[in-house]
Amino acid sequence: SQQGEEDPQALSIQEGENATMNCSYKTSINNLQWYRQNSGRGLVHLILIRSNEREKHSGRLRVTLDTSKKSSSLLITASRAADTASYFCATDAGGTSGSRLTFGEGTQLTVNP
Amino acid sequence: NAGVTQTPKFRVLKTGQSMTLLCAQDMNHEYMYWYRQDPGMGLRLIHYSVGEGTTAKGEVPDGYNVSRLKKQNFLLGLESAAPSQTSVYFCASSFPRGQPQHFGDGTRLSIL
Repeated sequence: SQQGEEDPQALSIQEGENATMNCSYKTSINNLQWYRQNSGRGLVHLILIRSNEREKHSGRLRVTLDTSKKSSSLLITASRAADTASYFCATDAGGTSGSRLTFGEGTQLTVNP
Repeated sequence: NAGVTQTPKFRVLKTGQSMTLLCAQDMNHEYMYWYRQDPGMGLRLIHYSVGEGTTAKGEVPDGYNVSRLKKQNFLLGLESAAPSQTSVYFCASSFPRGQPQHFGDGTRLSIL
């Protein structure tokens, strides 16, 4: 079963606007990661936030984590056409799981020029 | 700087045929993983390995076998391919303890 569930499934915005994607999960986590997948390519790691962190920034990306609500959000500011891709959250339960990640179904982001 | 390389990139099989997908990484990662990705779904873990000579089952292991004879290579085998195994297969690798995973570009497998 999928641990993470992303919302919305699809998002279409204009270049320069901000894009927000949400992820909910069900069990305790060690960390939560966001990945991007361009069409026909593999996933690329964007950002990792640990369970004891609440917010993290990387360039135009801002990730928040609320462990009490078991949710995370990814904000992309000043979006560009090149940001068009699918975005996935993935949770790492830690422990003896061998760093196994459980992925959500993804949000398809389209940024129109 | 190749990262994670998957071969082949595309393959068409007939039901009942066998094949092996190869994953190679040059980052000295301990952990390696095989996932499948189906339309409208996220990635699902098939098998993974936490070191040379070790393998473990993931979420959807049935119909697949794996081997990790060398640290840099992780092989995924289909002994008797079924149409339900039509998918895009991704290999990934990482350092231990919750580090980000690095992915290959996938193998697109169709089984007729």
